[in-house]
Amino acid sequence: TQLLEQSPQFLSIQEGENLTVYCNSSSVFSSLQWYRQEPGEGPVLLVTVVTGGEVKKLKRLTFQFGDARKDSSLHITAAQPGDTGLYLCAGVGSARQLTFGSGTQLTVLP
Amino acid sequence: KAGVTQTPRYLIKTRGQQVTLSCSPISGHRSVSWYQQTPGQGLQFLFEYFSETQRNKGNFPGRFSGRQFSNSRSEMNVSTLELGDSALYLCASSLTPNTEAFFGQGTRLTVV
Repeated sequence: TQLLEQSPQFLSIQEGENLTVYCNSSSVFSSLQWYRQEPGEGPVLLVTVVTGGEVKKLKRLTFQFGDARKDSSLHITAAQPGDTGLYLCAGVGSARQLTFGSGTQLTVLP
Repeated sequence: KAGVTQTPRYLIKTRGQQVTLSCSPISGHRSVSWYQQTPGQGLQFLFEYFSETQRNKGNFPGRFSGRQFSNSRSEMNVSTLELGDSALYLCASSLTPNTEAFFGQGTRLTVV
């Protein structure tokens, strides 16, 4: 079974602060996706990374895929209340199915 | 371009009953996956369909089943409902398996 571990599980910060969420595995993934989910809604795809060492930026969000394609991070600069949500990483590995991490619940306080 | 549509949005059923949930993928997408999301277990993979064939199945009992039609629409069925089946059921569509997945809003199932 390919597992993705996310940390931290919960994060509560003040508006304007920076934060990093981690997604780690002992398995190699051919690609990794990050999603954000708001209460009562389905996850919304933020980004897909496919190349080891790849860095993608989406406004204040920076995504990095580890060189060995076993881990990834999401860094948010100057967090805003609108960033509040459940952040999920998901990877496609040898099992040929999308495996999700347990998620990081982020709360940004005004 | 319309997104993934799941119906119904909310459902309340009694233990022992059965339920059918529907998912219409994004036009042109041929792969549909189903997930169960609960606070304690997170997102758990149920099954994946591609071109009307079940391609992968998660670790769920046989009470959970699904199918995909020739127009790529998919349904999942849960028979003999248990209280523990209460969850948000999410459908995701993608062009082909293992490509970017786009989720519907989900069906919130409550079993009483």
